[in-house]
Amino acid sequence: GNSVTQMEGPVTLSEEAFLTINCTYTATGYPSLFWYVQYPGEGLQLLLKATKADDKGSNKGFEATYRKETTSFHLEKGSVQVSDSAVYFCALSAFSTGNQFYFGTGTSLTVIP
Amino acid sequence: DTAVSQTPKYLVTQMGNDKSIKCEQNLGHDTMYWYKQDSKKFLKIMFSYNNKELIINETVPNRFSPKSPDKAHLNLHINSLELGDSAVYFCASSRQGPAREAFFGQGTRLTVV
Repeated sequence: GNSVTQMEGPVTLSEEAFLTINCTYTATGYPSLFWYVQYPGEGLQLLLKATKADDKGSNKGFEATYRKETTSFHLEKGSVQVSDSAVYFCALSAFSTGNQFYFGTGTSLTVIP
Repeated sequence: DTAVSQTPKYLVTQMGNDKSIKCEQNLGHDTMYWYKQDSKKFLKIMFSYNNKELIINETVPNRFSPKSPDKAHLNLHINSLELGDSAVYFCASSRQGPAREAFFGQGTRLTVV
């Protein structure tokens, strides 16, 4: 089956700290991988994506690399800001699963000044 | 222009009532979804639908039913509301095909009292 496992939060960091949020997946076929961000009171927004092995997705200083050998898609940012405080979701979709998206449980990040 | 819009944003209702949440997308996508997000931010797929196929998560009670008058709309109708239905409901849409991301609405916070 298809599933996504991401590290549990909450995560609290000081401004300018390094961020890693771990994500691993199980999938049939060749999935595409995504990171979504949800700011308080809002819907989910796509942060970045990668569609095949060794692809690196990046946006707003965030990066994640599709690692097929470790079935991982860890999210990283070198220097977080207070405005990065949000809930982050790792997700996959596989064409073989009929257009379904599978989300991880979400990781809440709070960045303090 | 809002890509995926849901109404209402907030809905407070009594147990036993029937209610609907409307969703419209202006992206020309052919697949739409409904997700339920619980108080711990966990996202659960309820339905995915395109003009050919409805996929229902088997754990969704049959009190919940999607209704699609056309490709741009997927409304969620809920009968006999229960306290446990209280959650945030998100509508989303995407194109078919690999590597296509989902676009989310702002969510509808349903409170059953």
